[in-house]
Amino acid sequence: NAGVTQTPKFQVLKTGQSMTLQCAQDMNHEYMSWYRQDPGMGLRLIHYSVGAGITDQGEVPNGYNVSRSTTEDFPLRLLSAAPSQTSVYFCASSYISQTPSHEYFGPGTRLTVT
Amino acid sequence: AQSVAQPEDQVNVAEGNPLTVKCTYSVSGNPYLFWYVQYPNRGLQFLLKYITGDNLVKGSYGFEAEFNKSQTSFHLKKPSALVSDSALYFCAVRAYNFNKFYFGSGTKLNVKP
Repeated sequence: NAGVTQTPKFQVLKTGQSMTLQCAQDMNHEYMSWYRQDPGMGLRLIHYSVGAGITDQGEVPNGYNVSRSTTEDFPLRLLSAAPSQTSVYFCASSYISQTPSHEYFGPGTRLTVT
Repeated sequence: AQSVAQPEDQVNVAEGNPLTVKCTYSVSGNPYLFWYVQYPNRGLQFLLKYITGDNLVKGSYGFEAEFNKSQTSFHLKKPSALVSDSALYFCAVRAYNFNKFYFGSGTKLNVKP
């Protein structure tokens, strides 16, 4: 199993540009989530999904959109990038049916917005 | 509301000494508790979890954690620290009837030779 994969690993955007961070998992996990990690702030939940077609907001959803058309994929879209979105983004997944499962994390995407 | 607190931004310990990284939580109902480790420029790796049963949970790399319901704590421990244990450690909680995980702010562990 590849586990949780994220692309790209690094990205530089200009203010106002849009982009999509890709996340995929091959473990048939129902639950998927996106976090951002900033120094001193720990991990903050952006959006999460409990299955295909179902998404919900986390702690810091503004400026981000998600969709879950398949069990495997959970892309995160930045609609109009701002310098405040400079961060490291992690995608994670876990079982719901086999509670309580821990989250499996991807390697992260380091995003810089100039 | 669910939350996790890691009161120490940084913990320094000498190699060979015991280490403790503290975590307290607030959750409605029974908690599921987790510890993760993050090495530089890497994703988080699962260390151990508490679900139910014995209050002392053993995990990867010789780590263990003690669940204390009355103090709502879940401290991470290791009897003898290694330099290679130096990393960022995160505590997380999930309520039994909710799907979301809540993470602490992280504690940087420095183990000096």
